[in-house]
Amino acid sequence: KAGVTQTPRYLIKTRGQQVTLSCSPISGHRSVSWYQQTPGQGLQFLFEYFSETQRNKGNFPGRFSGRQFSNSRSEMNVSTLELGDSALYLCASSKLAGTSWGYEQYFGPGTRLTVT
Amino acid sequence: SQKIEQNSEALNIQEGKTATLTCNYTNYSPAYLQWYRQDPGRGPVFLLLIRENEKEKRKERLKVTFDTTLKQSLFHITASQPADSATYLCALGGGGNKLTFGTGTQLKVEL
Repeated sequence: KAGVTQTPRYLIKTRGQQVTLSCSPISGHRSVSWYQQTPGQGLQFLFEYFSETQRNKGNFPGRFSGRQFSNSRSEMNVSTLELGDSALYLCASSKLAGTSWGYEQYFGPGTRLTVT
Repeated sequence: SQKIEQNSEALNIQEGKTATLTCNYTNYSPAYLQWYRQDPGRGPVFLLLIRENEKEKRKERLKVTFDTTLKQSLFHITASQPADSATYLCALGGGGNKLTFGTGTQLKVEL
């Protein structure tokens, strides 16, 4: 079974530009979550999508947005990039949405975004 | 605010010994807790999940305990091997699949 795939793996952008990252979950998984990982803040939750609906959102500014398609693939977009947005962006998929009890998540290799 | 603390210093142990990693949290009442392993340049890999009504979970050489009174989880790797060297992350969840991660503990198993 193929794992979670993320494209592109590496990206260099300039301040003020926007970027779109893509994530394909494991086949049959309908929940996709996005995380930002930096050396200073560690792994921080961005948002979760299930059946094309955003179910949870972290404490990030509105410049960070996402969406999910009917085939469960997901994209996240960051507009007006800032230097502090340089990070590893990780996507994770899970079979179920989770209610009060969550489920194990399978992470992709991440997209390394560098903003200059 | 919610705080999750893992030992920020690296843990060095000898091959064959048991590694014990700690995860303490404050201002949080998680419904479940997960442990992940992360190797450099890679995404985290799921290891174990334990729910608030469970005290202990085991999987092969791994064991996790969850004490909601002490607000602490312990993660044990028995008969450790050099291949177990990695950063181990604890993550707390309380609503859906949203996880709040600790900063991780780097484990190094020496021959």
